[in-house]
Amino acid sequence: GENVEQHPSTLSVQEGDSAVIKCTYSDSASNYFPWYKQELGKRPQLIIDIRSNVGEKKDQRIAVTLNKTAKHFSLHITETQPEDSAVYFCAASIGYSTLTFGKGTMLLVSP
Amino acid sequence: DVKVTQSSRYLVKRTGEKVFLECVQDMDHENMFWYRQDPGLGLRLIYFSYDVKMKEKGDIPEGYSVSREKKERFSLILESASTNQTSMYLCASSIGGSKNIQYFGAGTRLSVL
Repeated sequence: GENVEQHPSTLSVQEGDSAVIKCTYSDSASNYFPWYKQELGKRPQLIIDIRSNVGEKKDQRIAVTLNKTAKHFSLHITETQPEDSAVYFCAASIGYSTLTFGKGTMLLVSP
Repeated sequence: DVKVTQSSRYLVKRTGEKVFLECVQDMDHENMFWYRQDPGLGLRLIYFSYDVKMKEKGDIPEGYSVSREKKERFSLILESASTNQTSMYLCASSIGGSKNIQYFGAGTRLSVL
């Protein structure tokens, strides 16, 4: 089955810096890659997703890039703010099947 | 706005007890999922269902079963709870078809003593 590796497991940045979280996947048939954000004590929520026919997608301060050849995708957060502090999960799926999640990255943004 | 409701926020049970975790969604979603979340292990899929009375094993089904008698309700059952099932349990639903965005419940933190 699909395997998703996520790095780093923790990331500390200063407010205003950029943050990058990287994921790799094993199954070349995977074609949907969402990112979920889970604030402390809250439920995971989708923040951005990308399909395999697109190389990059941006939504205000967040962007996701996909390299199908290398089988990796990344989340980029620019101008980080304290409210960006959370655990971020990447995931991958084939078609409309189940999601396989990475183990998560705890992002801490210090004022 | 999609609402996925888990019946309990916190549960404390004893080893060997039968435990029911309930999840209800109000958006007529086809698909429902149960995950457990442990520090450093991310979200691991226990069971999922694409339709009423249908269930499929996920990555870690051992020690669990599920029931989906109605479209809006998906129950996770621990037949005989053990201490290694102490965890956060998250339910999720998705509309199905080409849209596999999952919406999560707030979670149930289960402690098995």
